[in-house]
Amino acid sequence: GAVVSQHPSRVICKSGTSVKIECRSLDFQATTMFWYRQFPKKSLMLMATSNEGSKATYEQGVEKDKFLINHASLTLSTLTVTSAHPEDSSFYICSARGGAAEETQYFGPGTRLLVL
Amino acid sequence: DQQVKQNSPSLSVQEGRISILNCDYTNSMFDYFLWYKKYPAEGPTFLISISSIKDKNEDGRFTVFLNKSAKHLSLHIVPSQPGDSAVYFCAAISGTYKYIFGTGTRLKVLA
Repeated sequence: GAVVSQHPSRVICKSGTSVKIECRSLDFQATTMFWYRQFPKKSLMLMATSNEGSKATYEQGVEKDKFLINHASLTLSTLTVTSAHPEDSSFYICSARGGAAEETQYFGPGTRLLVL
Repeated sequence: DQQVKQNSPSLSVQEGRISILNCDYTNSMFDYFLWYKKYPAEGPTFLISISSIKDKNEDGRFTVFLNKSAKHLSLHIVPSQPGDSAVYFCAAISGTYKYIFGTGTRLKVLA
């Protein structure tokens, strides 16, 4: 149990376009979802926390207008990178909490974004 | 300000021997700790966790030890297997369920 999926797994886009990444909890209802970003050989950096039906809470330094997060249901959260630029190229990972052991976050497989 | 630190960026261990991964933290308010394993280009996989009211938790080959006075936790893997080769992250939680991750330790188990 506790499976989290992400789509797409990899995306290449042109600078200036927007990219949407989906995160789904497949076998449990996720009261809270988290979005992380990982730079090469670095730790995971929390970008934002989203609770179903409410606005996301962004970490300091993360532009909320650039990284739009929507948590429309208990099984789906989306991250939209708006007007993407090459410096947005990164590995984006979501996680979900809300299963039986609520302290534990279950991570999606990640999405590799490359902005040309 | 790195509240959770993994001071060893890499570790090599012979197959069958014990792997010990260390993690130090500075915030005494952390009350739950977890270890995750991560392969390149994949999301982290949950391994084992421990509450601050305990000092040891064991699950198969994995044991986590917590020393609250030293603000230190460690993950022991016995016996180590080549498939254990990955990056290991410790994470700490304080109240809000927001994880604070360490910087990771790359473990290489040599056959």
